[in-house]
Amino acid sequence: KQEVTQIPAALSVPEGENLVLNCSFTDSAIYNLQWFRQDPGKGLTSLLLIQSSQREQTSGRLNASLDKSSGRSTLYIAASQPGDSATYLCAALNRDDKIIFGKGTRLHILP
Amino acid sequence: EAQVTQNPRYLITVTGKKLTVTCSQNMNHEYMSWYRQDPGLGLRQIYYSMNVEVTDKGDVPEGYKVSRKEKRNFPLILESPSPNQTSLYFCASSTGRLAGENIQYFGAGTRLSVL
Repeated sequence: KQEVTQIPAALSVPEGENLVLNCSFTDSAIYNLQWFRQDPGKGLTSLLLIQSSQREQTSGRLNASLDKSSGRSTLYIAASQPGDSATYLCAALNRDDKIIFGKGTRLHILP
Repeated sequence: EAQVTQNPRYLITVTGKKLTVTCSQNMNHEYMSWYRQDPGLGLRQIYYSMNVEVTDKGDVPEGYKVSRKEKRNFPLILESPSPNQTSLYFCASSTGRLAGENIQYFGAGTRLSVL
């Protein structure tokens, strides 16, 4: 059974720093991996999606990578800003068409 | 505007009183799913549907029912709600893995309290 883990559960960094959020999965037979952002009390906003055949995707200051062989994905945020404070979630679409989420990393950018 | 719409946004009910949470998408998406989000447990998939009249259990289907009679709608039914179903519920839709990028779009959520 697929398990998706995000470490750390919470992270505080000063504004302007670059940071990396981690997502690991136990079953590498996935179709894709998607990163989301969730603000308190709100729904989820898609940030980046990486297909299983891809190695990385970029959008503005965000870069997501995927290494299926090691069961890992990372979300890199460059030049962090206070507005980046949110919970970041990764989700894997499995071969059985189920979607498994990690529990998220709560990110706080210190002004 | 591309949207996934859930109703109601907030709901307080009592144990055993049947309820339905509606979900509708305007993107002609094939894949729709329901999740619940609980502190410490994260988001867990309840049911998903890959097309009209095709539904499958996710990780936590017990106590829930769904139907997919039309492509745009995917209601979540709680026949006899219990307090352990108090949670934040999200509906989501995507093209499906056979038809493109398969980015999931989420509704705004339904906060359910069962007393």
